[in-house]
Amino acid sequence: AQSVTQLDSHVSVSEGTPVLLRCNYSSSYSPSLFWYVQHPNKGLQLLLKYTSAATLVKGINGFEAEFKKSETSFHLTKPSAHMSDAAEYFCVVSDRGRNAGNMLTFGGGTRLMVKP
Amino acid sequence: EPEVTQTPSHQVTQMGQEVILRCVPISNHLYFYWYRQILGQKVEFLVSFYNNEISEKSEIFDDQFSVERPDGSNFTLKIRSTKLEDSAMYFCASSDPHGQGRDQPQHFGDGTRLSIL
Repeated sequence: AQSVTQLDSHVSVSEGTPVLLRCNYSSSYSPSLFWYVQHPNKGLQLLLKYTSAATLVKGINGFEAEFKKSETSFHLTKPSAHMSDAAEYFCVVSDRGRNAGNMLTFGGGTRLMVKP
Repeated sequence: EPEVTQTPSHQVTQMGQEVILRCVPISNHLYFYWYRQILGQKVEFLVSFYNNEISEKSEIFDDQFSVERPDGSNFTLKIRSTKLEDSAMYFCASSDPHGQGRDQPQHFGDGTRLSIL
């Protein structure tokens, strides 16, 4: 079984300050981990993915995440927030030990607010 | 960049009626999925589809639900007799199992908001 916990339902930062969105997971197999972003009235856009290569993963729009197996964490960071980063962010896990068409398990989401 | 497209963007249906949600996955993808997100809740997996059959489904995906790939491009989700609790945003996704194999991410459409009255 797999599960994802996003520790903060809401995060508020000022423009230009760092962003940290926290995620912990559990998985029976070697997991693939993803971060998706959802802007209002839009679909889910892939930010980045971890699939057992480098533990520090770089994504789009300056975001990156670090896979820490010992802590079962996959926190999302960005050095400097931009107003356009305001959105809902989802941490997602997929069990790589299963079929190629893996079901995704989503965290509850973190709403990022960016203040001017 | 190729996209997953979903129609309609918003569907309003009377309880007990049948509804079909439509999706056009990315053309070279082979795996297809439906997820739903009830307002205020997590995104939940419904079903995955490969090689013209269901490969995995969740407990939510009961006999009221069915999926079909009626031609080479469309992928549909049918709810036979809708209930109030079916009101949700439904997302279609597709992925390519080749290339890096199992690690290919799923690409999502913008969703269909289903409102049951």
